[in-house]
Amino acid sequence: AQTVTQSQPEMSVQEAETVTLSCTYDTSESDYYLFWYKQPPSRQMILVIRQEAYKQQNATENRFSVNFQKAAKSFSLKISDSQLGDAAMYFCAYRSYNTDKLIFGTGTRLQVFP
Amino acid sequence: NAGVTQTPKFQVLKTGQSMTLQCAQDMNHNSMYWYRQDPGMGLRLIYYSASEGTTDKGEVPNGYNVSRLNKREFSLRLESAAPSQTSVYFCATRETNNEQFFGPGTRLTVL
Repeated sequence: AQTVTQSQPEMSVQEAETVTLSCTYDTSESDYYLFWYKQPPSRQMILVIRQEAYKQQNATENRFSVNFQKAAKSFSLKISDSQLGDAAMYFCAYRSYNTDKLIFGTGTRLQVFP
Repeated sequence: NAGVTQTPKFQVLKTGQSMTLQCAQDMNHNSMYWYRQDPGMGLRLIYYSASEGTTDKGEVPNGYNVSRLNKREFSLRLESAAPSQTSVYFCATRETNNEQFFGPGTRLTVL
């Protein structure tokens, strides 16, 4: 069975600085998707970024980028130029290529200080 | 265009009471999902429906039933609520080969 591990329960960063959130996963599959979701205090789950395992190029969305290391089964999220609005819980998630099920990590709470 | 809506937003039940959580989507997506979120555990899949008329168990289905009433609506029923079902419940939808979109959640407390 696939598992997703987020080993950092909490992280903090100063406004305008860069922070990296870690995620590792375990799978025997070769085709899958990886996601980072943001959950602000409003509880709404918001997709931040998505990576297809077959793509070697790391996904980027504005200030958010990933470092996808398939052999190491690592999928970290880098937030550049951090803003106060980035403060939230961040969840890493895995989905097999041919299934409907998302498997989530336990989350990392990010605090952003002015 | 409301996306994914959930009702109610908050609910308090006594042990043994029953209730149904409602989810509706206006995005014409085929797949719908129910998750629960507990502190320190991330989201766990309760049930999902790949298409109208079909439902399947997820990781934690015990104590719940679901109904995919039509393409728009997917309800989650607690027949006899227990304190262990105190949680935040999320509905989500997905179109094939795309990411899941989540509703705003329902906070349920069972006393």
